[in-house]
Amino acid sequence: RKEVEQDPGPFNVPEGATVAFNCTYSNSASQSFFWYRQDCRKEPKLLMSVYSSGNEDGRFTAQLNRASQYISLLIRDSKLSDSATYLCVVNTHGQNFVFGPGTRLSVLP
Amino acid sequence: GAVVSQHPSWVICKSGTSVKIECRSLDFQATTMFWYRQFPKQSLMLMATSNEGSKATYEQGVEKDKFLINHASLTLSTLTVTSAHPEDSSFYICSARYEGNQPQHFGDGTRLSIL
Repeated sequence: RKEVEQDPGPFNVPEGATVAFNCTYSNSASQSFFWYRQDCRKEPKLLMSVYSSGNEDGRFTAQLNRASQYISLLIRDSKLSDSATYLCVVNTHGQNFVFGPGTRLSVLP
Repeated sequence: GAVVSQHPSWVICKSGTSVKIECRSLDFQATTMFWYRQFPKQSLMLMATSNEGSKATYEQGVEKDKFLINHASLTLSTLTVTSAHPEDSSFYICSARYEGNQPQHFGDGTRLSIL
């Protein structure tokens, strides 16, 4: 089993749709969690950290379920500019970050 | 937010040339820097992790004599691709982290094309 798994995608959604990304991780000792987005031929950019209580940043909501070892990212009212690959990232203190394979999102006009 | 600068952003050179890529953390001290490689339509692949003042830790399958990493200060790490060949053509990205559970911040990446 891979350390971090994500929905295989791609997701093709119309503008204004709500889209949810799922991510699971295998290392129960993992301590910090992040969502990154990567545009085509660009570097990954930090989208948001994921906190145990869940957190929201504008149209983006991230949630963490430690018991199920599951992380989610919800995008509401999707925009064309949200089109990118979304990477789930898991870190265990003192060890390297582990990146999921990413889920590609295309928001269509 | 934290800024990581990577230079050069694009390199085209002949087979056999050695290429040096710099990664700088501009507004924070990076205890750890990471080097990744990404082929088209594939995931990021971690090549090595470097901590300031110590030898880099290479991932399995990555030749340390081929990819020389130097992390001489808390704000600078360099990757040298020695005697590059066409199969080394890829997108190389560095990232830096302040410490522990802090997120990584990525440089802009270097697109390397070996003719």
